[in-house]
Amino acid sequence: QMQLIQSGPVIKKPGSSVKVSCKASGGTFSSHSIGWVRQAPGQGLEWMGGIIPIFGTPDYPQKFRGRLTITADDSTSTLYMELSSLTSEDTAVYYCAGSVAYCSGDCPWGQGTLVTVSS
Amino acid sequence: EIVMTQSPATLSVSPGERATLSCRATQSITTNVAWYQQKPGQAPRLLIHGASTRATGIPARFSGSGSGTEFTLTISSLQSEDFAVYFCQQYNNWPAWTFGQGTRVEIK
Repeated sequence: QMQLIQSGPVIKKPGSSVKVSCKASGGTFSSHSIGWVRQAPGQGLEWMGGIIPIFGTPDYPQKFRGRLTITADDSTSTLYMELSSLTSEDTAVYYCAGSVAYCSGDCPWGQGTLVTVSS
Repeated sequence: EIVMTQSPATLSVSPGERATLSCRATQSITTNVAWYQQKPGQAPRLLIHGASTRATGIPARFSGSGSGTEFTLTISSLQSEDFAVYFCQQYNNWPAWTFGQGTRVEIK
């Protein structure tokens, strides 16, 4: 069964960028069916975008366009999420997760990466 | 953007009782709905997809129903490990998938 292992917690300054990695192991990696979800402290879940087979390229909700970049390295089975122009409102746990529409009910989640934005 | 509204915000239930959670969409999403369970300090876990199909390894006491704009997650007989927060998600409009705000199921 595939597992998703994410990079460790980070602290960033306002205005900077953060890049979080998500490495797949134990199964057949497909960068084309993994997305990113974030959760601010004590809050709900927010879908950030991902890659799906129909398009094969990343796409994002309007809220994140221009500030979020999702890339994949198939040679290392690793997905990356880079968010720029960070503010305190970007402080959250960031998860990579199998995109539910394409993982046939077997949808792994990473363990989460805490990104703290603070001056 | 499709808004998903969950109710109630908190549900108090005794172990062994039935729990019914609701999720409403602002426009039709056919059956493109998933339900997740999240426990403190853990990543969410997929329970239901396609509105009514249990995910791999999910016990039969979890069931989902609905189509269009109204959806329900039912836990037939609550076990101690089921006390958690539950989220619905619509995946009808790529890439603008959205989650509900969550329902907390607590011990009565």
